[in-house]
Amino acid sequence: QITLKESGPTLVKPTQTLTLTCTFSGFSLSSSGVGVGWIRQPPGKALEWLALIYWDDDNRYSPSLKSRLTITKDTSKNQVVLTMTNMDPVDTATYYCAHADYRDYRFDYWGQGTLVTVSS
Amino acid sequence: QTVVTQEPSFSVSPGGAVTLTCGLSSGSVSSSYYPSWYQQTPGQGPRTLIYNTNTRSSGVPDRFSGSILGNKAALTITGAQADDESHYYCVLYMGSGLNWVFGGGTKLTVL
Repeated sequence: QITLKESGPTLVKPTQTLTLTCTFSGFSLSSSGVGVGWIRQPPGKALEWLALIYWDDDNRYSPSLKSRLTITKDTSKNQVVLTMTNMDPVDTATYYCAHADYRDYRFDYWGQGTLVTVSS
Repeated sequence: QTVVTQEPSFSVSPGGAVTLTCGLSSGSVSSSYYPSWYQQTPGQGPRTLIYNTNTRSSGVPDRFSGSILGNKAALTITGAQADDESHYYCVLYMGSGLNWVFGGGTKLTVL
């Protein structure tokens, strides 16, 4: 059974750096074809893809946010970490991590999400 | 700028059928974009329905089907039920530059 869970601060101040951790089970990020992605959703708005890391350390970033994002993995801990710098109130959103499959570019298992509010 | 388009809202009668679409602001959607579809109810995370155009995710009833209709990806729901009332999002894989782009979502009402 594949599960993912996001963790991190619920409140960050503007200009601060956000660090979110996705802890997963039921798969290994060292297995060929496996990836973990981050997707966010501002309140009442649509989903937005942010970043993804594959088993072979291939990292992908949203072009509009690339300068602010870093995604890393710790295979031994079954964790993926996303950092986003220079947070702004418009970054207030629920952040999801999801298991991805390289073969057909799908996100097939999702975490429950974590709400991050950016406010002073 | 690449925009993935979806109908903002749609309604269907219980037991009826509805087709939601996923297009591009410029160009046509084909299976090479690996379209996938997600269902989201308020307060919940997304649930994967369809991937790779027409493959149902595990546990998804066959009332849900995916296809390419004309120049768009499509999600068809038949025998609509009350608990199908949700937001539905499509996402297209745009290649190694843009990567994944989500549509704005369709709010489906069953009434």
